[in-house]
Amino acid sequence: AQSVAQPEDQVNVAEGNPLTVKCTYSVSGNPYLFWYVQYPNRGLQFLLKYITGDNLVKGSYGFEAEFNKSQTSFHLKKPSALVSDSALYFCAVRPPAAGNKLTFGGGTRVLVKP
Amino acid sequence: DGGITQSPKYLFRKEGQNVTLSCEQNLNHDAMYWYRQDPGQGLRLIYYSQIVNDFQKGDIAEGYSVSREKKESFPLTVTSAQKNPTAFYLCASKASGDHNEQFFGPGTRLTVL
Repeated sequence: AQSVAQPEDQVNVAEGNPLTVKCTYSVSGNPYLFWYVQYPNRGLQFLLKYITGDNLVKGSYGFEAEFNKSQTSFHLKKPSALVSDSALYFCAVRPPAAGNKLTFGGGTRVLVKP
Repeated sequence: DGGITQSPKYLFRKEGQNVTLSCEQNLNHDAMYWYRQDPGQGLRLIYYSQIVNDFQKGDIAEGYSVSREKKESFPLTVTSAQKNPTAFYLCASKASGDHNEQFFGPGTRLTVL
């Protein structure tokens, strides 16, 4: 069965420092991978996705993610974090045979301190 | 959250009562989804629908029911059979095509008193 792991419940970073949120997956075949962000009491907002092609994907708000097939990872990164980036981040995977269903990781809370 | 509306934002229910959560989208998306979010557990799929008049159970469908009579609407009923219904419920929709992302509504927070 497919699964997604976000090994860190929370990531703390100082404003201006690089931010990394980790995601690893376990699926067969070549999955589609997604990152979403959630602010308190709000729905999820799409950040970026990997479908095929270049392993480095650029998305909204200065975020990017690197797909690493050998390590089955899709870590989210931002070169310089802002206080406003403080939120809950979710990684999700759609295996090739899953139709339209996504499997989500448990989420990572990011706290950016001034 | 644009294009998908959920109502109400907050909902209180007494034990033993059924309650229906509304989800409407004007994005002309074929697929719609209902998720439940609990602290520390991410999102879990309740039901999904890939086309009008058709829907499938997700991972935690027990105690819930849905209908898809119109493309724009996918209401979720939380029945009295759901043992622990207090949660944040999220609706999403997606255009056809495996590579398209899901768009989420703002959510409904249900509290059972």
